[in-house]
Amino acid sequence: EADIYQTPRYLVIGTGKKITLECSQTMGHDKMYWYQQDPGMELHLIHYSYGVNSTEKGDLSSESTVSRIRTEHFPLTLESARPSHTSQYLCASSVDGDTIYFGEGSWLTVV
Amino acid sequence: GENVEQHPSTLSVQEGDSAVIKCTYSDSASNYFPWYKQELGKRPQLIIDIRSNVGEKKDQRIAVTLNKTAKHFSLHITETQPEDSAVYFCAASRGLDKQGGKLIFGQGTELSVKP
Repeated sequence: EADIYQTPRYLVIGTGKKITLECSQTMGHDKMYWYQQDPGMELHLIHYSYGVNSTEKGDLSSESTVSRIRTEHFPLTLESARPSHTSQYLCASSVDGDTIYFGEGSWLTVV
Repeated sequence: GENVEQHPSTLSVQEGDSAVIKCTYSDSASNYFPWYKQELGKRPQLIIDIRSNVGEKKDQRIAVTLNKTAKHFSLHITETQPEDSAVYFCAASRGLDKQGGKLIFGQGTELSVKP
């Protein structure tokens, strides 16, 4: 079934650790996004990509980085996690940049 | 940059009543306005959308209206049911222009429908 898959779904890590959140979509979409969201709160765009080798920073400054080497894959990396990075990270994709489809999210807790 | 303001932040209604959530946007080039519903612990899901060449769109109990001149759009839910309880987000996008493809979301409205 065409969908957006995020792993891990839940992660607790120590301060200073490096973490990569994986996102893969089987929908054939060129555009992909990462949003950061605290529970029930506003969705903040932190990174987006219009296609392979295209990455842009979003409206909310983030210490994370992304890469887009393959159309279906858009991983997000934190080189040195801090407690302030504790949040939910939602990956999304779109065929036309209008309607976007979200993954189930990765809940990150940094202790 | 583009900004989307959403009101109210919380809304409580009795089952069967109507609910209205309002959003305003700042970028006059915005031409696509979706609404997402996010249930507790779940991902946001699109429930209805409208483009700038249309003033109103309905889908069963939900409807969206757009006033381009005033740069605001609203979500209307009639005959509310407990399963409508969720956080609702409005969003705006420039669509397919060169800088398009970025949805900017409002702050969200937590709707509670009391049985």
